[in-house]
Amino acid sequence: AQSVTQLGSHLSVSEGALVLLRCNYSSSVPPYLFWYVQYPNQGLQLLLKYTTGATLVKGINGFEAEFKKSETSFHLTKPSAHMSDAAEYFCAVSNFGNEKLTFGTGTRLTIIP
Amino acid sequence: DAGITQSPRYKITETGRQVTLMCHQTWSHSYMFWYRQDLGHGLRLIYYSAAADITDKGEVPDGYVVSRSKTENFPLTLESATRSQTSVYFCASGLAGGQTGELFFGEGSRLTVL
Repeated sequence: AQSVTQLGSHLSVSEGALVLLRCNYSSSVPPYLFWYVQYPNQGLQLLLKYTTGATLVKGINGFEAEFKKSETSFHLTKPSAHMSDAAEYFCAVSNFGNEKLTFGTGTRLTIIP
Repeated sequence: DAGITQSPRYKITETGRQVTLMCHQTWSHSYMFWYRQDLGHGLRLIYYSAAADITDKGEVPDGYVVSRSKTENFPLTLESATRSQTSVYFCASGLAGGQTGELFFGEGSRLTVL
C-alpha cells in the first residue's frame, strides 16, 4: 500500500518569504509523486510531477520539488511567496501500473502581507 | 465548452433521500474518478472507472453507487443519504489515471445532508 504524509495542515508565510511544504511518502515500489493546488472554491490542478529522470522538477508559478529517495520525501518549495499562492496544496503518490492516486491530507498556505 | 463539469454545484437534502451527482467530461478520457473532500482527511477515493462499463471501488465506497454507460459521463448516486455523507465531492478524469497522475478536476459539488 502507498501513502503520503503532509506535515502541518496549515502554514503561514510572509509575502516574499520562502515557501516550504513538506511531503513524505511510503511505497514499496518506485513512486510517482505529484503536487496539486486547490484555490478557493475550485477543483485541484496539477502543479508538478515526478515519475522518472531528473529528481528536481519545476512546475507552474515558480514552484519546484525535489525527489529524495533516501529521505522518502518530495518537498515543495518556492523562493519568494506571492499573495496569489494562497491555496491548499496536496501531495499525491502513484506508481507504474497503478490506476489510482493516493492523496495526502493537504496543507493550507496563507500569505501574510 | 471543453472540460469537466459537475452538477449540481450545491445540494441540500434530507437523510434517507436518494441523490445523484452528475459528472461530464468532453476530452474522451478513459479514466474517471469520484473523490470526497473532508477536513482532516484530504481527498478520499470513492469509486473510479477505467473505461465505459468498467468500475471499481476506491477507499470509501459504502453507501455509493456509480455507473458508466458512456465514456463522458460518470454519475455518483447516494442511495439513501446519511449525515456522514455531507461533504464536497470532486469528479476527475485522466487519460491514464495514476500512471501519469495528470487528473483534471471539476469544481466540486457541495452536498449537505440534514
